Amino acid sequence: GENVEQHPSTLSVQEGDSAVIKCTYSDSASNYFPWYKQELGKRPQLIIDIRSNVGEKKDQRIAVTLNKTAKHFSLHITETQPEDSAVYFCAASKDSWGKLQFGAGTQVVVTP
Amino acid sequence: GAGVSQSPSNKVTEKGKDVELRCDPISGHTALYWYRQRLGQGLEFLIYFQGNSAPDKSGLPSDRFSAERTGESVSTLTIQRTQQEDSAVYLCASSPRAGTSTPYGYTFGSGTRLTVV
Repeated sequence: GENVEQHPSTLSVQEGDSAVIKCTYSDSASNYFPWYKQELGKRPQLIIDIRSNVGEKKDQRIAVTLNKTAKHFSLHITETQPEDSAVYFCAASKDSWGKLQFGAGTQVVVTP
Repeated sequence: GAGVSQSPSNKVTEKGKDVELRCDPISGHTALYWYRQRLGQGLEFLIYFQGNSAPDKSGLPSDRFSAERTGESVSTLTIQRTQQEDSAVYLCASSPRAGTSTPYGYTFGSGTRLTVV
């Protein structure tokens, strides 16, 4: 089955700097890669996703890149703000409505 | 409904007792998933229902765990003879019908925090 690895497990950045989280996956058939943000004590929420026919997608301060050949994808957050502090999970699946395999999560702390 | 609804939000039970957790998905969402999240950990897949197809039970950790769903409606996750290691937040999510134009991806419920004492 699919295996998703996520790095780093924790990330501390100064407000205004950029944050990058990287994930690798094992199943070459995977073609849908969402990212979820989970604030303390709350449910995970989808923040951005990308499909395998696209190499990069951007939404305001967040962007995701995908390298299908290397089987890795990354989340980029620019101009970080304290409200970006949360746990971020990457995931992979063979289709956008199917079972997602999640990475272990990255705790992002943005310090003022 | 407007979102995925889970009940109860919190459940404290004694070791050895059975518990039943409920998930009410977004209306029209054909797919429903259960995940387990231990404190400070990631999301562990348990079971997946897609319409009237046979569920994918590959993530259930033992035969003490079972889940049911009737059609595209409510699902219940049952844990029999609970153990302390079952303590976790149990998250339910639903997603829309395959091939629709609505936004993809899971919508999670708020979860049920289960504590086995």
